[in-house]
Amino acid sequence: NAGVTQTPKFQVLKTGQSMTLQCAQDMNHEYMSWYRQDPGMGLRLIHYSVGAGITDQGEVPNGYNVSRSTTEDFPLRLLSAAPSQTSVYFCASLKPGAHNEQFFGPGTRLTVL
Amino acid sequence: GNSVTQMEGPVTLSEEAFLTINCTYTATGYPSLFWYVQYPGEGLQLLLKATKADDKGSNKGFEATYRKETTSFHLEKGSVQVSDSAVYFCALSARTGANNLFFGTGTRLTVIP
Repeated sequence: NAGVTQTPKFQVLKTGQSMTLQCAQDMNHEYMSWYRQDPGMGLRLIHYSVGAGITDQGEVPNGYNVSRSTTEDFPLRLLSAAPSQTSVYFCASLKPGAHNEQFFGPGTRLTVL
Repeated sequence: GNSVTQMEGPVTLSEEAFLTINCTYTATGYPSLFWYVQYPGEGLQLLLKATKADDKGSNKGFEATYRKETTSFHLEKGSVQVSDSAVYFCALSARTGANNLFFGTGTRLTVIP
């Protein structure tokens, strides 16, 4: 199993550009989520999905869209990038029946100029 | 609501020193509690967990006990190594609703030889 994979590892955008951060998992986990990590703030939940076709907002959803057309993939879209979205983004999936243990991808470091 | 308060860092220790990183939480109901570790340039990995009061999670010489009376989950290790240098995150997950994690701000540990 590859676990949770994310692409790209690094990305630089200009203000106003759009892009999609990819996330995939091969563990057949129903639950997937996106977090952003900022200095001094820990990880904050952006969006999550409890299964294909179902998504919901987390703590900081503004400026981001998600969709879940398959169990494996959970892309995160930035519609119009802003400098405030400079962050490290982590995707995670949940192992069912394991007291909410989540598995994290390696992260995408995004810089918006 | 759900929240985690974690000891501010950074923490610098000499090899073989004793480590404590404090973590307290606020939660509705009885959450599951976690410590995640992030090594430089990597994603988060689950270090240990506890799912009910008085449970002790342990892994790689690290321990933490779920204390309901003090709403705490402090991380300890009796003798740290240089390889333990990382950022440590305390987190909780509520038992009801979605399986979202609430993170503390993280504590950076540096162990010097």
